Amino acid sequence: AQSVSQHNHHVILSEAASLELGCNYSYGGTVNLFWYVQYPGQHLQLLLKYFSGDPLVKGIKGFEAEFIKSKFSFNLRKPSVQWSDTAEYFCAVNPSIYNQGGKLIFGQGTELSVKP
Amino acid sequence: DGGITQSPKYLFRKEGQNVTLSCEQNLNHDAMYWYRQDPGQGLRLIYYSQIVNDFQKGDIAEGYSVSREKKESFPLTVTSAQKNPTAFYLCASNPSPTSFSYNEQFFGPGTRLTVL
Repeated sequence: AQSVSQHNHHVILSEAASLELGCNYSYGGTVNLFWYVQYPGQHLQLLLKYFSGDPLVKGIKGFEAEFIKSKFSFNLRKPSVQWSDTAEYFCAVNPSIYNQGGKLIFGQGTELSVKP
Repeated sequence: DGGITQSPKYLFRKEGQNVTLSCEQNLNHDAMYWYRQDPGQGLRLIYYSQIVNDFQKGDIAEGYSVSREKKESFPLTVTSAQKNPTAFYLCASNPSPTSFSYNEQFFGPGTRLTVL
């Protein structure tokens, strides 16, 4: 079965530190890739997405992610985190085999805590 | 304002009772989805619907039921057969579920269900 794995369950950083959250998936075909963020008490919202083209995608709030097909990875990065980045981050994959219905497979989530 | 609304925000029920969670969208999106979110497990798909009067089971459909009588509405019933119903429930919609080159899910604010 297809799966998505996020390596870190809880990450604690100080402000201005760099961030990298890992995401690996198990499907070998064509995929669409997403990172969603859930700020405390708020909706799950899209941070960035990859459908095709440049494997380095830029999202909102200074986040970026790199799709490395050979490693089945889509890691999220930010050069300098802020206290307001404290949230839970979810990686999600839409494999082409699931094109019917646009279903997403989510990772377990990574909780990011940024200390001021 | 366009968006997805879920009501109520918090819901309490006694063991053995059925309860229905509401999800409405005014985005004119074709597809709608129900997810369950538990700590450390990410989001898991319960049911989804690509068109009115049609829906499919997701990965954890047992103990749940849905209907899609109108494009804008996709209510979820948590039945007494669901063994562990306490969770955070998220509804989502997708404008283009059959177009792999562009399909993206938009999420509602969620309903937190607690079984007493």
